[in-house]
Amino acid sequence: SQTIHQWPATLVQPVGSPLSLECTVEGTSNPNLYWYRQAAGRGLQLLFYSVGIGQISSEVPQNLSASRPQDRQFILSSKKLLLSDSGFYLCAWSGAFREQPQHFGDGTRLSIL
Amino acid sequence: DAKTTQPTSMDCAEGRAANLPCNHSTISGNEYVYWYRQIHSQGPQYIIHGLKNNETNEMASLIITEDRKSSTLILPHATLRDTAVYYCIAGDSNYQLIWGAGTKLIIKP
Repeated sequence: SQTIHQWPATLVQPVGSPLSLECTVEGTSNPNLYWYRQAAGRGLQLLFYSVGIGQISSEVPQNLSASRPQDRQFILSSKKLLLSDSGFYLCAWSGAFREQPQHFGDGTRLSIL
Repeated sequence: DAKTTQPTSMDCAEGRAANLPCNHSTISGNEYVYWYRQIHSQGPQYIIHGLKNNETNEMASLIITEDRKSSTLILPHATLRDTAVYYCIAGDSNYQLIWGAGTKLIIKP
């Protein structure tokens, strides 16, 4: 069966520091991969998605970037964090067909001080 | 804006069927309806999705009206562990889903 791993679960970072969140998927090949952010009490906002190695689409202009160095690895990064980057970050995967549902990791709660 | 509208919150008694409505009056012919739920501080969990026909799996049933303008998610025998925020989403591809605030479902003993 397929599993998705996302870490760390919580992270506290000072303003201006770099960020690297990692997500890996097991048990499937060539998945679509996604990064979302969720503000408290709100729905999910899609940040990036990837349909293959090195292929990244950005949905929202921001202080963040994403990379997919391997088929089942997706990384969310920032060179300098802002206070507004605080939130709950979620990684997800889906099959390649457009209607296939997404499956989420347990998320990273990021607090910027 | 999300393409769907849902009640902000609902209550249901434990052991009864929980019926969660969703309005998607502007849905287009090739857009699916997806349901997810999110328990506090966890990632969303996929429940079910459908295009035109009613669907059932081990978790729930999805009833889509004939005109496809609304749908209902049915949890047949709600338990306390079903307390969560339930999201109804419509989209024609898995990278174009717009998430609203969902329905907070509280199951009461």
